Amino acid sequence: GAVVSQHPSRVICKSGTSVKIECRSLDFQATTMFWYRQFPKQSLMLMATSNEGSKATYEQGVEKDKFLINHASLTLSTLTVTSAHPEDSSFYICSARGFRGSYEQYFGPGTRLTVT
Amino acid sequence: RKEVEQDPGPFNVPEGATVAFNCTYSNSASQSFFWYRQDCRKEPKLLMSVYSSGNEDGRFTAQLNRASQYISLLIRDSKLSDSATYLCVVNDAGKSTFGDGTTLTVKP
Repeated sequence: GAVVSQHPSRVICKSGTSVKIECRSLDFQATTMFWYRQFPKQSLMLMATSNEGSKATYEQGVEKDKFLINHASLTLSTLTVTSAHPEDSSFYICSARGFRGSYEQYFGPGTRLTVT
Repeated sequence: RKEVEQDPGPFNVPEGATVAFNCTYSNSASQSFFWYRQDCRKEPKLLMSVYSSGNEDGRFTAQLNRASQYISLLIRDSKLSDSATYLCVVNDAGKSTFGDGTTLTVKP
């Protein structure tokens, strides 16, 4: 149990375009989903936390208008990188938490975004 | 000072060795603690939760010391497949804070 999928696994796009990444909890209902980014040889950086049906809470320094998060259902959250630039190239990972009383997070396989 | 601190390593050990990682945290209100492992260019995977009484899962033993605010992970009889980055995670009321990770390389 506790499987999280992410799509696409890899995307290459041109500067100025928008990219949508989907995160799904496959076998449980995720009340909370998290979006992270990770640069090579660096730790995970939390970008935002989203609860189903409410607006995402963004970490300091993360532009909410650039990284649009929608947690429309208990099994799906999306991250849209708008007007992507080369500096947005990174490994984006979502995680989901849904078990009552448990704070364990289960991670999706990640999306490697390259902006040319 | 970081909220969660880990020795970045790298730890280079031979197969069969015993290796221990420590992690300290600054928030005394932290309630839940976990160890994750992350392989290169992959997502983190939950290794084990850490309980106050200490817990063991095969070759892995996790300990929590609330008074000193640190958790540890002991790996016995290291395997080549244990090579990875080990992340310490501390949770306070649902908010998880990750350490930067400790890199382990097990060599034949």
